[in-house]
Amino acid sequence: NAGVTQTPKFQVLKTGQSMTLQCAQDMNHEYMSWYRQDPGMGLRLIHYSVGAGITDQGEVPNGYNVSRSTTEDFPLRLLSAAPSQTSVYFCASKDRGRSPLHFGNGTRLTVT
Amino acid sequence: GNSVTQMEGPVTLSEEAFLTINCTYTATGYPSLFWYVQYPGEGLQLLLKATKADDKGSNKGFEATYRKETTSFHLEKGSVQVSDSAVYFCALSKEGAQKLVFGQGTRLTINP
Repeated sequence: NAGVTQTPKFQVLKTGQSMTLQCAQDMNHEYMSWYRQDPGMGLRLIHYSVGAGITDQGEVPNGYNVSRSTTEDFPLRLLSAAPSQTSVYFCASKDRGRSPLHFGNGTRLTVT
Repeated sequence: GNSVTQMEGPVTLSEEAFLTINCTYTATGYPSLFWYVQYPGEGLQLLLKATKADDKGSNKGFEATYRKETTSFHLEKGSVQVSDSAVYFCALSKEGAQKLVFGQGTRLTINP
């Protein structure tokens, strides 16, 4: 069972570079989301989507873009990376209602 | 708004000790409550959940009871093992809402 797959696992960027973090799920979940995890701050929601073609901002959306063209994929784009975006990024998906989130294994991003 | 407050860590125990990690929440209505665990280098995994008052979630020797009167969902285990060393997150989800709200996480280290 693949579940939620994130690529790459590690990435180093220079300030100002752009990149896309990939996320795919094979559970036909409608809801997908991106979190960042920073020491002492738990998980903070960046963007989320409740279905293909629908996205919305979370708690910390600035500097990030998302799109949801298919149910399976939910890429996160950094248009101009900044050192403040150094973090571990987690993609997650869930089914409707009170079901739990399923997480990917994360992408560790360093911006120098 | 909805929020989750967890016992601050880190927590260090000896093997076979009794574990309690406190979690309290603020929410209107009747949220679902979750405990997630994150092992080193991995994403978050659902540990247990409870969807209504007085429900007890349990898994792998861990338990937590949904206490509406005290708005709490404390995690307990009677005898911890070295393999339980991880970061533990408490979270809530409101009915009809897709987003989960996480506490800041508690790092647990078990020494042999």
